Amino acid sequence: SYVLTQPPSVSVAPGQTASLSCGGTNFGRRSVHWYQHKAGQAPKLVVFDDTDRPSGIPDRFSGSKSGSAATLTISRVEAGDEADYYCQVWDNSDHYVFGGGTKVTVL
Amino acid sequence: QVQLVQSGGGVVPPGKSLRLSCTTSGFVFSDYGMQWVRQAPGKGLEWVASVWHDGSATDYPDSVKGRFTVSRDNSKDTLYLQMNSLTVEDTAVYFCARPNVGSSGYYDYFDNWGHGTLVTVSS
Repeated sequence: SYVLTQPPSVSVAPGQTASLSCGGTNFGRRSVHWYQHKAGQAPKLVVFDDTDRPSGIPDRFSGSKSGSAATLTISRVEAGDEADYYCQVWDNSDHYVFGGGTKVTVL
Repeated sequence: QVQLVQSGGGVVPPGKSLRLSCTTSGFVFSDYGMQWVRQAPGKGLEWVASVWHDGSATDYPDSVKGRFTVSRDNSKDTLYLQMNSLTVEDTAVYFCARPNVGSSGYYDYFDNWGHGTLVTVSS
């Protein structure tokens, strides 16, 4: 089965930059998507197709991918960015595969 | 705007059954395959069921195959998840989700989610 690996936690001070990694084998032509999930709420799509942002998502959120790693970067971090963040890809066998999630703590 | 409103859920003993519903609005329901995703306590997100736009095909991961059945009523814009032979490992918040087409050409990411409904399997 396809596996996505994310660090369990990242801490960042307000106004600084958070970089969240997502590792997978042969990302190749797979698109990577990112979700923000706050407790008690529905997950929210923040980046799709590696780098694109849905309407309404601030440009402080950006995505990139290189080789076997994808990164979600949150610039000028705010208290409201505190949440769990999941990367996700499509796999022909496993369908929708999520990483284990990274908890972002704003200090 | 797109809305996915969930109902059902609750506390159920091991071995029993439960049905979840997801009533949609704001888009042409019959144009989209639909999905269920769950999050167990302290765990990450896990895809649990897919149904084609017309209900003609379904798919599940091994963890629920043979126990869960996803279906839809396009006349009611509603998605269902029938969960049988529930175990404590099925305890989770269940989300319905609408996928959308990525650059891959597949419906490979979720652009809209329901608010989630808690299913607790406990004696």
